Amino acid sequence: AQSVTQPDIHITVSEGASLELRCNYSYGATPYLFWYVQSPGQGLQLLLKYFSGDTLVQGIKGFEAEFKRSQSSFNLRKPSVHWSDAAEYFCAVGAKDTGNQFYFGTGTSLTVIP
Amino acid sequence: NAGVMQNPRHLVRRRGQEARLRCSPMKGHSHVYWYRQLPEEGLKFMVYLQKENIIDESGMPKERFSAEFPKEGPSILRIQQVVRGDSAAYFCASSPDYSTDTQYFGPGTRLTVL
Repeated sequence: AQSVTQPDIHITVSEGASLELRCNYSYGATPYLFWYVQSPGQGLQLLLKYFSGDTLVQGIKGFEAEFKRSQSSFNLRKPSVHWSDAAEYFCAVGAKDTGNQFYFGTGTSLTVIP
Repeated sequence: NAGVMQNPRHLVRRRGQEARLRCSPMKGHSHVYWYRQLPEEGLKFMVYLQKENIIDESGMPKERFSAEFPKEGPSILRIQQVVRGDSAAYFCASSPDYSTDTQYFGPGTRLTVL
């Protein structure tokens, strides 16, 4: 069965520091992978996605993620965090043979301190 | 180009009442998905619809919940005889067609059952 694990429930970083949010998935074939960000009381905004090709994908707001098939991971990174990046981050996996439904991780809450 | 619209944004119901949540997909999108987010959890798939058809309702509770996406008008998620456990954020997402796996999310409806 498909599943997504985000091991870190909460992360605190200083503004200007680098960031890496972990995501591991379980899926039989190559999945489609996504990162979404959710600000308090808001909906989900797509940060980036991986379908195929280059395993390092660039997204909005300076985020990037790397697909590593051998580790079943799709970690999100940002070289320098801004205070406005404080939010909840969700990793998701989807594929046609899952009926187009997405499977979401439980999220990682990011706090940015000055 | 307006994004996915959901209304109401906040809905308060007493136990036993009915809740109706509406979702208007992005222009040109014919696929709609509903997800539920319980407190401190990730999003869980509920149902996938196309115009006038339910494609996958494997995530829908068997009782009290129903969804439709009529030929004209928004998609409706209906919860009859609500209970406190139905309190959650309900998100709608849309995609242009089956071959495009990116789902775009609305701002959500936060349902509170008193």
